[in-house]
Amino acid sequence: AQKITQTQPGMFVQEKEAVTLDCTYDTSDQSYGLFWYKQPSSGEMIFLIYQGSYDEQNATEGRYSLNFQKARKSANLVISASQLGDSAMYFCAIPISGGYQKVTFGIGTKLQVIP
Amino acid sequence: DTGVSQDPRHKITKRGQNVTFRCDPISEHNRLYWYRQTLGQGPEFLTYFQNEAQLEKSRLLSDRFSAERPKGSFSTLEIQRTEQGDSAMYLCASSTRQSAQETQYFGPGTRLLVL
Repeated sequence: AQKITQTQPGMFVQEKEAVTLDCTYDTSDQSYGLFWYKQPSSGEMIFLIYQGSYDEQNATEGRYSLNFQKARKSANLVISASQLGDSAMYFCAIPISGGYQKVTFGIGTKLQVIP
Repeated sequence: DTGVSQDPRHKITKRGQNVTFRCDPISEHNRLYWYRQTLGQGPEFLTYFQNEAQLEKSRLLSDRFSAERPKGSFSTLEIQRTEQGDSAMYLCASSTRQSAQETQYFGPGTRLLVL
């Protein structure tokens, strides 16, 4: 079964610095996608970035980029130039099987940006 | 462009009472999902609809839980005879298939506290 592992319960980063949040996954699918979401204290899950398993380039979206290493089954999120508003929970997710209808999430990493 | 909305945002109820939550998806999205998130965990899939058809339910969705999407637009999630273990954040998401990537967009959630 598909599984996401996020091993960093909490991370600190200085404002304006870059930070990497780790995500490893396990899947039996040949074709799959990986998602990252941000959840501020308000509770809403905000979609950040998507990586397809056959995408040749690592995904980028503004200050967010993915360090996708397919052979190692890792999809780490890199946030550049951290801002105070980046303080939140971050979740990595993968569709459970087949289609994208069921998604399984990791337990998340709490990021705190220090002024 | 309005996002996914959920109502109410917070609900406090006594054990044994019934509660109903509403979700309004993004208007052009034909798929709608319900997730439950407990403290310290990522969201867990409960069920999903394609238009008005409920296509899959998780084993987490006990007989006390029922979800409907009668006209393929908004959805309701009802919990009967609530228990303290039902206390959680209930998240709704919607999506539509536009490419190989199908991203779920989440609402702000309903926080339920069962006393």
